[in-house]
Amino acid sequence: DSGVTQTPKHLITATGQRVTLRCSPRSGDLSVYWYQQSLDQGLQFLIQYYNGEERAKGNILERFSAQQFPDLHSELNLSSLELGDSALYFCASSGLAGGAGELFFGEGSRLTVL
Amino acid sequence: GQQVMQIPQYQHVQEGEDFTTYCNSSTTLSNIQWYKQRPGGHPVFLIQLVKSGEVKKQKRLTFQFGEAKKNSSLHITATQTTDVGTYFCAGRIPGNQFYFGTGTSLTVIP
Repeated sequence: DSGVTQTPKHLITATGQRVTLRCSPRSGDLSVYWYQQSLDQGLQFLIQYYNGEERAKGNILERFSAQQFPDLHSELNLSSLELGDSALYFCASSGLAGGAGELFFGEGSRLTVL
Repeated sequence: GQQVMQIPQYQHVQEGEDFTTYCNSSTTLSNIQWYKQRPGGHPVFLIQLVKSGEVKKQKRLTFQFGEAKKNSSLHITATQTTDVGTYFCAGRIPGNQFYFGTGTSLTVIP
């Protein structure tokens, strides 16, 4: 158990819809990262937050947005969903701001867009 | 953009054989991490290398960081079925994020 909690574990929705994925980092970790993993693909970095502020942005689509709340949990919002958005979305947390520390991954949220 | 490449993408070995995966970056890295993802699981941190030419061992696993800090390797001696999974390297550019490699999927045939 990494200590990172993601909900929901599975989500099935239709094209054009909007979903929200939630992540609670390990106790005490201020950094939260979001990654997308498509079938047989690597981990694509989407975005990082540190203590409520956006720290770095990767290959995140404009249809996607995220935020980190004062209690440090984070949400990833995916809108106008397309078939290609079907993937496993991982949240990871770290105790360090600069991306230097070990990442602790949650179990992921599997999104299926039909 | 920055890319961290890993080879091979897939590797099938007989149990007891050795396995190596290689990670290459076009840019000098400040450090590199390795993760293992079991089938159906999430990535789990294995190790971090920081120094040029650094070598670290964890039982049957040997990790190396190149002298130029642009490449790294993970070698598993005498593979076991418990080694099955995808191994990712994650290279960090100074002042930037970790960029994950494409991963090497290891299958161990009993």
